[in-house]
Amino acid sequence: QVQLVQSGAEVKKPGASVKVSCKASGYTFTTYDISWVRQAPGQGLEWVGWISAYSGNTNYAQKLQGRVTMTTDASTSTAHMELRSLRSDDTAVYYCTRDLSSSYWGQGTLVTVSS
Amino acid sequence: DIQMTQSPSSLSASVGDRVTITCRASQGISHYLAWFQQKPGKAPKSLIYAASSLQSGVPSKFSGSGSGTDFTLTISSLQPEDFATYYCQQYNSYPPTFGHGTKVEIK
Repeated sequence: QVQLVQSGAEVKKPGASVKVSCKASGYTFTTYDISWVRQAPGQGLEWVGWISAYSGNTNYAQKLQGRVTMTTDASTSTAHMELRSLRSDDTAVYYCTRDLSSSYWGQGTLVTVSS
Repeated sequence: DIQMTQSPSSLSASVGDRVTITCRASQGISHYLAWFQQKPGKAPKSLIYAASSLQSGVPSKFSGSGSGTDFTLTISSLQPEDFATYYCQQYNSYPPTFGHGTKVEIK
């Protein structure tokens, strides 16, 4: 069955970087794109960006342009999302999802930004 | 960006009730709409994609309809496990955008 398993929770200081991983299984990795979605505490869902697992093409949310980088490693069926220059309002649960319609979700990774 | 307006923002219903949630897009999105269910502390779960296609393994009590700008999610007979928050999402154009959610509570 399709599974997306994410890396564990992170606590970072403002200005630091974080890299979240998402390991896919149960399907051919390069056949489907990976999207990232985040959810601040008590808030709704916000799209972060998208990467083609086949070509590596990306599309990022405008508000995060310049601070976010998404990559994939087909040899390990793993997607990564790096967010730099962290701010307190980046505190959220970050989810990886399969394809733009988010048909499958990872379990989420809590990223806490606090001094 | 396309704005997705969900209504109501919350509702109270009883077990066995038929529940309908609506989602309106600020511009036409064809059928590129998905619905998700989220329970507290859990990741969202996909219910419907392409406006009306049931995700694999999702019970048939969930159904979706609509195209263009107006969409609905219907739960035919609400069960205790259905009390959750429901979100719609358009993926017709970048950036994909979500509705603000509808919290379904027990009456």
